[in-house]
Amino acid sequence: ETGVTQSPTHLIKTRGQQVTLRCSSQSGHNTVSWYQQALGQGPQFIFQYYREEENGRGNFPPRFSGLQFPNYSSELNVNALELDDSALYLCASSYDRDQPQHFGDGTRLSIL
Amino acid sequence: AQRVTQPEKLLSVFKGAPVELKCNYSYSGSPELFWYVQYSRQRLQLLLRHISRESIKGFTADLNKGETSFHLKKPFAQEEDSAMYYCALSGFSGNQFYFGTGTSLTVIP
Repeated sequence: ETGVTQSPTHLIKTRGQQVTLRCSSQSGHNTVSWYQQALGQGPQFIFQYYREEENGRGNFPPRFSGLQFPNYSSELNVNALELDDSALYLCASSYDRDQPQHFGDGTRLSIL
Repeated sequence: AQRVTQPEKLLSVFKGAPVELKCNYSYSGSPELFWYVQYSRQRLQLLLRHISRESIKGFTADLNKGETSFHLKKPFAQEEDSAMYYCALSGFSGNQFYFGTGTSLTVIP
């Protein structure tokens, strides 16, 4: 399936490490949101980037940060990893902030 | 606090029976409501949004501001409707999103 792609698919890290997850949006999508989905839960909104600026943020600490690039790619960075950070991380992009979001398959992050 | 509640984690109905997936929300403002669906081995995708007022795959959802609900309904369930369904809410400016915990629907042949 084309559209939004995320890498890597799976990742294993240890407590205290740092991780960067990547997302490639569809061309023309100027808005990207990141979500954390723990097992058995719905996606939790981390933050949204609009035209390379953070545009909204959920209830996540500052060690969760992001970047959005002009080529429609984006990153989610997490510092000082904790066991509770183990989850599926989803990226979703859209043509604009009020347009439907298109999700990627996610990156499964496991913290040991 | 902003919240989306889906009271049923699991729901089973027989093929041809009506189905209703419940969603209640709490939001201080004018929210936009959505239903997302995830079929087996597929990615999360938008099913419908309340401002579109359209029926997708036979599903409809009406926003009831008095009861703060946005229940998803279909008069005759099909086997291909078996999936995980998430109710979601965004603020008017579209920069905050809240998802429910999801309802897994199984349509029994």
